[in-house]
Amino acid sequence: GAGVSQTPSNKVTEKGKYVELRCDPISGHTALYWYRQSLGQGPEFLIYFQGTGAADDSGLPNDRFFAVRPEGSVSTLKIQRTERGDSAVYLCASSFKERVYRGLRIYEQYFGPGTRLTVT
Amino acid sequence: AQSVAQPEDQVNVAEGNPLTVKCTYSVSGNPYLFWYVQYPNRGLQFLLKYITGDNLVKGSYGFEAEFNKSQTSFHLKKPSALVSDSALYFCAVRDMYQGGKLIFGQGTELSVKP
Repeated sequence: GAGVSQTPSNKVTEKGKYVELRCDPISGHTALYWYRQSLGQGPEFLIYFQGTGAADDSGLPNDRFFAVRPEGSVSTLKIQRTERGDSAVYLCASSFKERVYRGLRIYEQYFGPGTRLTVT
Repeated sequence: AQSVAQPEDQVNVAEGNPLTVKCTYSVSGNPYLFWYVQYPNRGLQFLLKYITGDNLVKGSYGFEAEFNKSQTSFHLKKPSALVSDSALYFCAVRDMYQGGKLIFGQGTELSVKP
């Protein structure tokens, strides 16, 4: 079946501009995560959605970053007044929600190909 | 706080030889551990996970990992390396207290030479 898709694959923008990054999760996955990966580093968590609500946004670096998932499927990561330090690969992942009832089930996250953001 | 460490930035192996990529973890509570692989300009691909049960976990592409509670390690292994295994490998632990976000190590570059 179709995996997680992200658009655009590459985005070059000028410092101070606004950008939107889109993520289409795997159908049926209620959990959606955004991560940011800088060169030579492992991905770092930004925000987690369960359904339509942001259940954990503790990884957002500051209030220039915002994300939405209005219908519980597609999510958009929004960055205002971009800075050169925002340049990175932004990864989206989705999974089923973990289940505790009738035995613990922990599901792996499936990642999209990422959006490479370059702020000039 | 939960964390994982990958002590080697790079691992070099000859094709056909066994490979090991090391990972140690620090968690409060039960560890839920994952390995992912990243090929150039591509997203992360899931290899395997340890949740509970047998300490030896088998995954995709012939990879396996050994969970060792006393050494707090979760090393990735393969009996016979292929050139096509060359990639960036990430170990991760799942944070069970705030929605299940993954906390990644810094990655290990695996290079398999013919």
